[in-house]
Amino acid sequence: DTAVSQTPKYLVTQMGNDKSIKCEQNLGHDTMYWYKQDSKKFLKIMFSYNNKELIINETVPNRFSPKSPDKAHLNLHINSLELGDSAVYFCASSPWDSLKTQYFGPGTRLLVL
Amino acid sequence: AQKVTQAQTEISVVEKEDVTLDCVYETRDTTYYLFWYKQPPSGELVFLIRRNSFDEQNEISGRYSWNFQKSTSSFNFTITASQVVDSAVYFCALSGTLNNNDMRFGAGTRLTVKP
Repeated sequence: DTAVSQTPKYLVTQMGNDKSIKCEQNLGHDTMYWYKQDSKKFLKIMFSYNNKELIINETVPNRFSPKSPDKAHLNLHINSLELGDSAVYFCASSPWDSLKTQYFGPGTRLLVL
Repeated sequence: AQKVTQAQTEISVVEKEDVTLDCVYETRDTTYYLFWYKQPPSGELVFLIRRNSFDEQNEISGRYSWNFQKSTSSFNFTITASQVVDSAVYFCALSGTLNNNDMRFGAGTRLTVKP
């Protein structure tokens, strides 16, 4: 029944490691997103994919690489993790039409030690 | 450029009080969409409402109401008779038609409702 799901929910890792976060939506939406929420709760878009094609790529270090194997999945791979990457990462999806409402996953809390 | 300002960082009220959360936006788009999301302590982001720029009718949903005024570029959110379960961070967001569905969020307002 879950509309937008993310795994894992929590991720604790050491600096320098590589990790991935997975996202899946079963809403039939064409567009998926990754957001980062910092410790002050500020939400900032990182990437947006429409039908497996990158359409937004904000100023994000190239250690972050999104991968969309199909339009229901958008995974986020992070290389050489740094302390500043600690945050909550949210996946979202929306239909590619005038409605534009984005539905969010439960978030993945990443802690880099 | 698009920008959303939520000037109230934190608000604290006592249960049953009414509270209004302010949202002011900037955009050059003629067609755009405004949203409110709720983030309770459990952390998920819950969609509350969407308004498009051509629809300035106010909306009421139970204890929630929204006041959209294009003349002042504001989209304020009022909770009537607040309850402890309303305690959350509330985000206002803006999405324009010319920016590939890019959504800009305000910094959020943390509402605490005390019993």
